[in-house]
Amino acid sequence: EAQVTQNPRYLITVTGKKLTVTCSQNMNHEYMSWYRQDPGLGLRQIYYSMNVEVTDKGDVPEGYKVSRKEKRNFPLILESPSPNQTSLYFCASSGYTSTDTQYFGPGTRLTVL
Amino acid sequence: DAKTTQPNSMESNEEEPVHLPCNHSTISGTDYIHWYRQLPSQGPEYVIHGLTSNVNNRMASLAIAEDRKSSTLILHRATLRDAAVYYCILPFYNQGGKLIFGQGTELSVKP
Repeated sequence: EAQVTQNPRYLITVTGKKLTVTCSQNMNHEYMSWYRQDPGLGLRQIYYSMNVEVTDKGDVPEGYKVSRKEKRNFPLILESPSPNQTSLYFCASSGYTSTDTQYFGPGTRLTVL
Repeated sequence: DAKTTQPNSMESNEEEPVHLPCNHSTISGTDYIHWYRQLPSQGPEYVIHGLTSNVNNRMASLAIAEDRKSSTLILHRATLRDAAVYYCILPFYNQGGKLIFGQGTELSVKP
């Protein structure tokens, strides 16, 4: 089954404690991205990657890091989380053309105290 | 930046058609228009996409204006399960791979 998986699904942490949210896809997609979703603000792109070792900033990259060492994985790293990063996070992947559809993960709800 | 503009919310009655508009006046000539929806507590899911002519699938229809500056997602008979936020999205590779989501339209369906 084609899918994007994220872990953990729920996470409560404290300010400053480094964390990683994993994302994995089984469709051999080149393109992967991370979004955050906050009430009233819709989906905002954090980072995206067009292939292995190629990443770039989206609309709200501050406070986040990503890496793309393997095609299937695209972890999101918060080196020093702050309360304003409390949000719902989605990972997505797709093929390489403008007719390819995006597949989204189920979401990770992060609370930073 | 190329952007899409959608109404914040719309209401419909169950089993009636719904027309969800989207403006994308700065779309480039060969870019596709995609629509996604997000059900409560879930990630967005693909609905439909098109380039110039109208498109139909089992979920919806997409009507694209002749000048491509706007499009309309059509749900022919709304059901309670269609209550969601609908996003009009320009395809990636626009501006170097950056995806652009519209504000999204929250559709509520009354029984």
